[in-house]
Amino acid sequence: GAGVSQSPSNKVTEKGKDVELRCDPISGHTALYWYRQSLGQGLEFLIYFQGNSAPDKSGLPSDRFSAERTGGSVSTLTIQRTQQEDSAVYLCASAGRLAAGELFFGEGSRLTVL
Amino acid sequence: KQEVTQIPAALSVPEGENLVLNCSFTDSAIYNLQWFRQDPGKGLTSLLLIQSSQREQTSGRLNASLDKSSGRSTLYIAASQPGDSATYLCAGGMNTGFQKLVFGTGTRLLVSP
Repeated sequence: GAGVSQSPSNKVTEKGKDVELRCDPISGHTALYWYRQSLGQGLEFLIYFQGNSAPDKSGLPSDRFSAERTGGSVSTLTIQRTQQEDSAVYLCASAGRLAAGELFFGEGSRLTVL
Repeated sequence: KQEVTQIPAALSVPEGENLVLNCSFTDSAIYNLQWFRQDPGKGLTSLLLIQSSQREQTSGRLNASLDKSSGRSTLYIAASQPGDSATYLCAGGMNTGFQKLVFGTGTRLLVSP
């Protein structure tokens, strides 16, 4: 597609429920990132995918968070047993093959946990 | 550990002014420096990317500089317009085997007509 697409744009859920957030990167981009932006705070790195390599999960805050990338394209970020502190905007970005490439972000998925 | 700081946190100027947004980082082993714009409720739009071997990049009314030795980058906006109102974020790219960006908390800019 023309840009990074994320869905849903908004998600309200109850504490304890599981949620899935989807990211469709720019066609041909091999690198995919998930970041989290909490109110009043900077962007926090969560996870990185590059091609068929094992993902770098060093930023995931707990084992309730997981992500996968199928077929080297679409990625899903799953949060199990959501907590109120998980409320944030989850941003996905993709980049081309070059290591120093420019990152292009989607519009984010705003998650509210009641 | 790389830390990125942006000053000021908020800035309000009248239309037409030239302005400078500041970004500082603690680890000079930065791979590149990227400036983004974020409108309320929206994602990030890339403005300029400066590689570590470069000193500056220009796009239209925007000019970004990078000084690795002093750990600073500046974003210069010439002849500001109300449409420039947004939050501006800088991010240091660290080559940790991949392009990992460390973000500042942003400068919220308001340009009044």
